[in-house]
Amino acid sequence: EAGVAQSPRYKIIEKRQSVAFWCNPISGHATLYWYQQILGQGPKLLIQFQNNGVVDDSQLPKDRFSAERLKGVDSTLKIQPAKLEDSAVYLCASSLEYSYRFSRLGGGKQETQYFGPGTRLLVL
Amino acid sequence: GQQLNQSPQSMFIQEGEDVSMNCTSSSIFNTWLWYKQDPGEGPVLLIALYKAGELTSNGRLTAQFGITRKDSFLNISASIPSDVGIYFCAGPYNQGGKLIFGQGTELSVKP
Repeated sequence: EAGVAQSPRYKIIEKRQSVAFWCNPISGHATLYWYQQILGQGPKLLIQFQNNGVVDDSQLPKDRFSAERLKGVDSTLKIQPAKLEDSAVYLCASSLEYSYRFSRLGGGKQETQYFGPGTRLLVL
Repeated sequence: GQQLNQSPQSMFIQEGEDVSMNCTSSSIFNTWLWYKQDPGEGPVLLIALYKAGELTSNGRLTAQFGITRKDSFLNISASIPSDVGIYFCAGPYNQGGKLIFGQGTELSVKP
């Protein structure tokens, strides 16, 4: 089974320029996530899609970041204009579905998120 | 907001040694996840824990869900060079599957 594909793997741009990242999730996965991982930190969720609808974009800097998943399969994340502090790894992940099924035993099964290799962005 | 704090931040050990790391939170989690991230790659899920007190193994890795639900531990026995990487704890903080990650523990193994 093919994993999550991302491109490009690396990108260097100057501040105020625009950049776009592409993600193709695992076939059949309804939920797609974009994370930002700054050096020395854990991934931070930017936006979550369920099929082609946005589930959560509360941490997406909407003045400069945008994302879409028009046909409910692959997705693009755009930054326009980029700032120095946007230098990070942008990770895409996918899972079968987002529902967190609770059980009487005190917890539910978290659908496994499968991560792509990431796009390393350097803003100069 | 919710935060996950991992310790130690980094570890330098000799091949063959056992490793312990932990993750704590100020609030309760119903699920604890442990991921490993190799250099240049995305995180890969190692172990998932769903019940307080649960102890789960995956090969040489063992993780425990703390009884208070505010912490979790990961142990690696008999470390080998391929254990090198960054280990993250994570947990969902809403019903939509949104994960919050710790800042990671970086493991270096000297042959």
